[in-house]
Amino acid sequence: QSALTQPRSVSGSPGQSVTISCTGTSSDVGGYKYVSWYQQYPGKAPKLMIYDVSERPSGVPDRFSGSKSGNTASLTISGLQTEDEADYYCCSYAGSYSWLFGGGTKLTVL
Amino acid sequence: QVQLVQSGAEVKKPGASVKVSCKASGYTFTSYYMLWVRQAPGQGLEYMGLINPSGGGTSLAQQFQGRVTMTRDTSTSTVYMDLSSLRSDDTAVYFCGRGGGSGMDVWGQGTTVTVSS
Repeated sequence: QSALTQPRSVSGSPGQSVTISCTGTSSDVGGYKYVSWYQQYPGKAPKLMIYDVSERPSGVPDRFSGSKSGNTASLTISGLQTEDEADYYCCSYAGSYSWLFGGGTKLTVL
Repeated sequence: QVQLVQSGAEVKKPGASVKVSCKASGYTFTSYYMLWVRQAPGQGLEYMGLINPSGGGTSLAQQFQGRVTMTRDTSTSTVYMDLSSLRSDDTAVYFCGRGGGSGMDVWGQGTTVTVSS
């Protein structure tokens, strides 16, 4: 199984919105509602930002939202803040108790 | 509070084995799967496999089958990940994480494993 496809980098200015895509196949992203997104700062453990495609854990700002269309999931961050600058990873259930991660996207807040 | 605490950094020689522990606290240990994920230097996250602490059943990503063993000790709420026949490209930070289908909501702090002769 190949990793899910994410853009290597995205950027935006404070206050703007950015969207990070995550493309898989009908055997993973397209086949299940179990897509999650993680934020990771250098040297730190990942943090769950979105689960089940579009659900936000308690404490995650509502500036973060998730969606899915076909085999592509997306994470949108609105009202960008400097502290949003981090790496973001998508993850999808791929059946038979296996998961796939995306290659990661570096978000730069200009 | 809910937390996962992992064992300390390891340095191993090629061909050796390493065992990383992940101790859970603040929740019912047997109620959640535990997943293992690794991250090589400068690289992305890679799913390794999971263990069901309730019955001990495991599921491993294909690339780790035959080299990884996952076990648990319910008396201490600890899961273990044993990686054998280490190679230089196993050098990575290894994370445990609570969860499963609906995402990994709690993560350990990570354990650095360095494989070097």
